[in-house]
This record gives sequence, structure tokens and C-alpha cells, in this order.
Amino acid sequence: GIQVEQSPPDLILQEGANSTLRCNFSDSVNNLQWFHQNPWGQLINLFYIPSGTKQNGRLSATTVATERYSLLYISSSQTTDSGVYFCAVALQAGTALIFGKGTTLSVSS
Amino acid sequence: EADIYQTPRYLVIGTGKKITLECSQTMGHDKMYWYQQDPGMELHLIHYSYGVNSTEKGDLSSESTVSRIRTEHFPLTLESARPSHTSQYLCASSNTRGGYGYTFGSGTRLTVV
Repeated sequence: GIQVEQSPPDLILQEGANSTLRCNFSDSVNNLQWFHQNPWGQLINLFYIPSGTKQNGRLSATTVATERYSLLYISSSQTTDSGVYFCAVALQAGTALIFGKGTTLSVSS
Repeated sequence: EADIYQTPRYLVIGTGKKITLECSQTMGHDKMYWYQQDPGMELHLIHYSYGVNSTEKGDLSSESTVSRIRTEHFPLTLESARPSHTSQYLCASSNTRGGYGYTFGSGTRLTVV
């Protein structure tokens, strides 16, 4: 099956710093989503981005489908950004997502 | 407000008991999913459904069953709970016509003693 690798596994930042999270996948995908899981376990959908670039406030994401990777950018990080960021992919747009192992982000004030 | 609901939020049960985890969504989504997640780990797909009367097994579906009799309801049943089933169970939904973005419920934290 398709493999999803996220890096780095852990990231520690000071408030205000910028960061880039990476997601590599082993096959061509037509569905890629980024999620944030907060310390209480709730998963929030950040982006549906099978290709191209999207921005939402301090967060932006870019997927280069032909090179099989996606990047999530967090600018001016805040303590509320702490948690685990998951990348998930599917070969076809309407099929079930396969998740990576996540990047654990800790932002301190 | 349209949302996805999971009950119970926490559950502690004895080994050998039969349990059903409830998941309902009011968004009219056609696709629904169950994932299992151990603390700090990745999500594993257990079951999924692309519509009423349609269910499929994921990579980690052994010892559990699902049903999809109504669009909004997708319960997960463990016939005989074991300590190895202790985990968090997350339900999600997505819409073919809405861009495929997943919405997750708050999860059920199950402990089997």
C-alpha cells in the first residue's frame, strides 16, 4: 500500500518562530489533507490540498504532486499551535485516507 | 449546527463484553470512516462506508463490525472486548460533493479491563 512519511517527528519552537513540516508519499495521490490534533485529542482539518498552494491565516500548504511531497508552513507560531500535525493521503479523491505518523510540535512562550 | 457526534466519550468495560460505539453526523455526508489511534501514534483505518448499505474493512478491522443503515449513522461493534482493544476510536465523515475534506468526531476513549 501507499507509504506516508512525515518529518521531522518532533519539533520544539519558541513562540514567534516559523516552521516547515514535510510529508513524502510513495505513489501518485488525488487526495491529500493536513490535520492538527490538539492536546485534548480533537482532530481539525487544516487543508485539502492534492496539488498547488493554499493559505489560511498563519498557515499555508504546498503540494507538488509530481514530486510526491507536501509542505505545511506555520508562521509566527503560538502556543496554541502545539499538538500533532498529520498528513493523510488517498490514491483517489473520494477514498479513505491513509495517515502518516505525524509531527509533534511544541511551542513555548 | 451541523456536526459529527460520538458517544460515549469515555468507556471502561470488562473483558468479554459486547460494546457498540456510536457515531452520527448531521452534515449529510455520504462517506464515513472509523479509525483507531493509540496515544501519540498514527491513525489506523478500521472500517469505512461510501454510502448506505455499503461497508468495507480497513487495515485493522479484525474483531469489529459496522453497519450503515442510515446515511447519518455509522456504529462500530466489538463482539467480545479484550484488553488489546484499549485505544481511542475516531469517527470521521466526508462528502463527495463537498471537496472530500474530513470532519472528525471527538472520539471514544475505550479501556478494557
